[in-house]
Amino acid sequence: AQTVTQSQPEMSVQEAETVTLSCTYDTSESDYYLFWYKQPPSRQMILVIRQEAYKQQNATENRFSVNFQKAAKSFSLKISDSQLGDAAMYFCAYSTFAGGTSYGKLTFGQGTILTVHP
Amino acid sequence: DAGVIQSPRHEVTEMGQEVTLRCKPISGHNSLFWYRQTMMRGLELLIYFNNNVPIDDSGMPEDRFSAKMPNASFSTLKIQPSEPRDSAVYFCASRPDSYSNQPQHFGDGTRLSIL
Repeated sequence: AQTVTQSQPEMSVQEAETVTLSCTYDTSESDYYLFWYKQPPSRQMILVIRQEAYKQQNATENRFSVNFQKAAKSFSLKISDSQLGDAAMYFCAYSTFAGGTSYGKLTFGQGTILTVHP
Repeated sequence: DAGVIQSPRHEVTEMGQEVTLRCKPISGHNSLFWYRQTMMRGLELLIYFNNNVPIDDSGMPEDRFSAKMPNASFSTLKIQPSEPRDSAVYFCASRPDSYSNQPQHFGDGTRLSIL
């Protein structure tokens, strides 16, 4: 079974600075997807970024980028120019590749609470 | 476009009562997921439907929990009888189809409190 580990229960950053959230996972599969979801106090689950394991290039979405190290099974999220609105719980998630008998099941890490200081 | 719609947003009820949570997936999405979020266990998949058929219910905790999807635009998660340990946030999510590698879209969740 796949597992996802976020070793940082809490992180903090100053506004306009950069912060990196860590995530490691365990799998025997070669094809899969990785995600970062943001959960603000409003409780919504918002997709931040998505990485396909077969792509070597790291995904980027505006101020958000990932460092995907497939061999190390590491998937960290970097937030540049942090803003107050970035304060939230961040979840790393692994998805099996949907195809054949697999339906693309999501497994979540325990989350990292990010605080942004003005 | 409307996202995944869940109701109610909050539910408070007494132990032993029946609880029904509702979900309307995004139009055209054929895959629907129910999750439970607690402090102790994080986010767990309870059940997955594809084309209104339950495909994976291995996460349903016990017989007190049941889920249905009578049509493509509506699903329910029912707890009967409810217990205080069922208190959690319950999320519904949808995706275009079973073999789509597109991300799941989540509703805003239902916060359930069992007294």
